[in-house]
Amino acid sequence: DTGVSQNPRHKITKRGQNVTFRCDPISEHNRLYWYRQTLGQGPEFLTYFQNEAQLEKSRLLSDRFSAERPKGSFSTLEIQRTEQGDSAMYLCASSWQGGSGANVLTFGAGSRLTVL
Amino acid sequence: AQTVTQSQPEMSVQEAETVTLSCTYDTSESDYYLFWYKQPPSRQMILVIRQEAYKQQNATENRFSVNFQKAAKSFSLKISDSQLGDAAMYFCAYHEGGSEKLVFGKGTKLTVNP
Repeated sequence: DTGVSQNPRHKITKRGQNVTFRCDPISEHNRLYWYRQTLGQGPEFLTYFQNEAQLEKSRLLSDRFSAERPKGSFSTLEIQRTEQGDSAMYLCASSWQGGSGANVLTFGAGSRLTVL
Repeated sequence: AQTVTQSQPEMSVQEAETVTLSCTYDTSESDYYLFWYKQPPSRQMILVIRQEAYKQQNATENRFSVNFQKAAKSFSLKISDSQLGDAAMYFCAYHEGGSEKLVFGKGTKLTVNP
């Protein structure tokens, strides 16, 4: 168990470019989450998957954002036509949910996006 | 919409002393979960402690304990015998019923002075 892995750790891009982040969750975990954290703020929920199904999306996830989790393993978060306001830390988390109640999330170290 | 408020942007404590971090939340639900997460500098967020709203007993994890006041919608974190490694951002979070979303506060930066 190597924890939740995120790549790249830091991405610098020019406005208008597309970027993709990858998250490898803990292998036994069936749920995967994406959060966004801007400077001085707490993380904000973007979306989550149960296995390969995307079950919930935040209004923060505009049309320029898309997330996938093919085969219920790793996940990618793509941002198209980046804007300066997209600059943030993108956090991935995973959990095992086998019953009711709030589960505990294991977070990755995050992928920091800087849009110039 | 549920909100989580952490009124202390920064706190400091002397090593070996006790510090309390405040958190209030707003909800109309009766069944929910509350969490404290710790985010050390440049490292991933880790769970400190979790509280189920239906449990009257306050959660405790070693040097970390909470004071959960459901009627007042207050959920403070007490750190006893503070250690240098406790220095971090601390986030209070609320688990929204019927959703998988965690709603986080803005965080409290804790400094531990030797």
